[in-house]
Amino acid sequence: AQKVTQAQTEISVVEKEDVTLDCVYETRDTTYYLFWYKQPPSGELVFLIRRNSFDEQNEISGRYSWNFQKSTSSFNFTITASQVVDSAVYFCALSDISGGYNKLIFGAGTRLAVHP
Amino acid sequence: GAGVSQSPRYKVAKRGQDVALRCDPISGHVSLFWYQQALGQGPEFLTYFQNEAQLDKSGLPSDRFFAERPEGSVSTLKIQRTQQEDSAVYLCASSSRTSGIYEQYFGPGTRLTVT
Repeated sequence: AQKVTQAQTEISVVEKEDVTLDCVYETRDTTYYLFWYKQPPSGELVFLIRRNSFDEQNEISGRYSWNFQKSTSSFNFTITASQVVDSAVYFCALSDISGGYNKLIFGAGTRLAVHP
Repeated sequence: GAGVSQSPRYKVAKRGQDVALRCDPISGHVSLFWYQQALGQGPEFLTYFQNEAQLDKSGLPSDRFFAERPEGSVSTLKIQRTQQEDSAVYLCASSSRTSGIYEQYFGPGTRLTVT
């Protein structure tokens, strides 16, 4: 079965702290894709990143970085020097492409609160 | 350009009522997904359309749930005889592609509360 686990329900940090959001996944597929989405209070899911199972290079985009490790089935997300605007719920998701289309399987999400 | 829009944004229904939730995808997007997000949980897949064809409805929780996309653009998710457990945010997502891995663009959702 395919599954995504985000063990951290809520994280609270003070502005400028670094914070890492954990994501562990389960899949039997050899080819798969992982995603991170941000859900601000407005409710709309905002795409952050997509990684495929063949590319384990870490990625950095501004203050955001992602660490993909197949050996531990993890795809962790780090925000450096957090800001109040980073406050949101963050979801990790795994693609299920068995039907030929991209159905997403989401974790339960981690609520990040960044305080001034 | 315009993103995915959903209406109404909020809906309160009494138990037993029927509701209809609308999704306007990005113009020209052929793929359309519906997800259900319970409070404090991640979105869960409900159904998938490729143009007007409903290719997967495996996630619909009961036969009270029905979705359609008759002209391959606007989609409606209908819930008959609503129950309290139907209270959730219903998210719609669309994409320009039908195969491979692609980004889904999400709407703001409709928050349904069944009293």
